[in-house]
Amino acid sequence: SQKIEQNSEALNIQEGKTATLTCNYTNYSPAYLQWYRQDPGRGPVFLLLIRENEKEKRKERLKVTFDTTLKQSLFHITASQPADSATYLCALDAYSGGGADGLTFGKGTHLIIQP
Amino acid sequence: DVKVTQSSRYLVKRTGEKVFLECVQDMDHENMFWYRQDPGLGLRLIYFSYDVKMKEKGDIPEGYSVSREKKERFSLILESASTNQTSMYLCASSLYAPVGGTMNTEAFFGQGTRLTVV
Repeated sequence: SQKIEQNSEALNIQEGKTATLTCNYTNYSPAYLQWYRQDPGRGPVFLLLIRENEKEKRKERLKVTFDTTLKQSLFHITASQPADSATYLCALDAYSGGGADGLTFGKGTHLIIQP
Repeated sequence: DVKVTQSSRYLVKRTGEKVFLECVQDMDHENMFWYRQDPGLGLRLIYFSYDVKMKEKGDIPEGYSVSREKKERFSLILESASTNQTSMYLCASSLYAPVGGTMNTEAFFGQGTRLTVV
């Protein structure tokens, strides 16, 4: 069955450093991958979408890479700030067929930026 | 500002009750989704809909049904609430993309409904 793995433990990073979060997947051949941010008690908020033919995507201090050979995406936050503390989720197609499917999410990585 | 609105933020219901969770979006999106989120289990897809009156089962549809009579509204129904349905329920919507489908557009989530079944 399809599986998405994210670091289940909290990631503690010093303010100003780069935070790197990992999303690994098995039994998928996704054409797209998405990243979301979720704050406690709130719904996820979309951050970035990357396509299989894009090795890297940037948005302000955020960078996502997508390695379809390794079946891995890395999510980077540069010059991290305490306000970046949140849970970050990666998402793929619910089913390998694509099309009108739901997103399936990893369990998320809880990121804590220490001042 | 685009919006997905869930009818209740907090809800307490009794075991055996029929429960309706309502979700409305104002973005004219074709796709709508219901998830539940539990500690340690993450977000799990219950049902989704890609058009009015259309629905597809997600990973955990047992004990739930859905209704989509209008494009902007997607309802989740707990036929007979049980304590193991105590959870955070999240509704989302997204635009249909001819290429890549769901994955090629961002999903917008509501604020969530925290349901407690006692």
